Amino acid sequence: AQTVTQSQPEMSVQEAETVTLSCTYDTSENNYYLFWYKQPPSRQMILVIRQEAYKQQNATENRFSVNFQKAAKSFSLKISDSQLGDTAMYFCARPFGNEKLTFGTGTRLTIIP
Amino acid sequence: DTGVSQNPRHKITKRGQNVTFRCDPISEHNRLYWYRQTLGQGPEFLTYFQNEAQLEKSRLLSDRFSAERPKGSFSTLEIQRTEQGDSAMYLCASSPSRGNPVQTQYFGPGTRLLVL
Repeated sequence: AQTVTQSQPEMSVQEAETVTLSCTYDTSENNYYLFWYKQPPSRQMILVIRQEAYKQQNATENRFSVNFQKAAKSFSLKISDSQLGDTAMYFCARPFGNEKLTFGTGTRLTIIP
Repeated sequence: DTGVSQNPRHKITKRGQNVTFRCDPISEHNRLYWYRQTLGQGPEFLTYFQNEAQLEKSRLLSDRFSAERPKGSFSTLEIQRTEQGDSAMYLCASSPSRGNPVQTQYFGPGTRLLVL
């Protein structure tokens, strides 16, 4: 099955704290890609970070990093020093044939001032 | 580079009417995707174009839905005889086609459809 699961529908955290969003997925492939997308309220979806499965090193983009556990098929997103602008829906996604994306159901993250 | 644009941003229609949405991808992006996003869910794939060729359609794309990309640039998504269940956000995304690795898709702001 080509599924992506996000088990945390909502999360909230105080500004400047660290938060981790969870994602698990199904695959029978050995080499693949994983993405985290951010969808701010009433704004368009943007890519936060991407991970290539054959790379053992976890991807990092400024305050955003991932914990990629290939054997466990887990791909969590860590946001450090959270900011008010991080308030958004966050989607974990995997590309399949023709690179169409399969998304999880999302996690609504609220950063509290 | 102005990003992916979609028009209209919002559309309210009555059940049974036809609607058409437009997507303008980032110039020189030859891949174009349509997704549908219902409330509380992640986007779901509808269809995919490589240049002007429609290469894949999801089973979600019933015969009331049709998509075109006539010159390999902008794309339109038409829904005929709209139903209340068609109410959703319709997202367009584009990406370049330069082979491996997998390319990032850039999303437009979406068209929010409400069928009354």
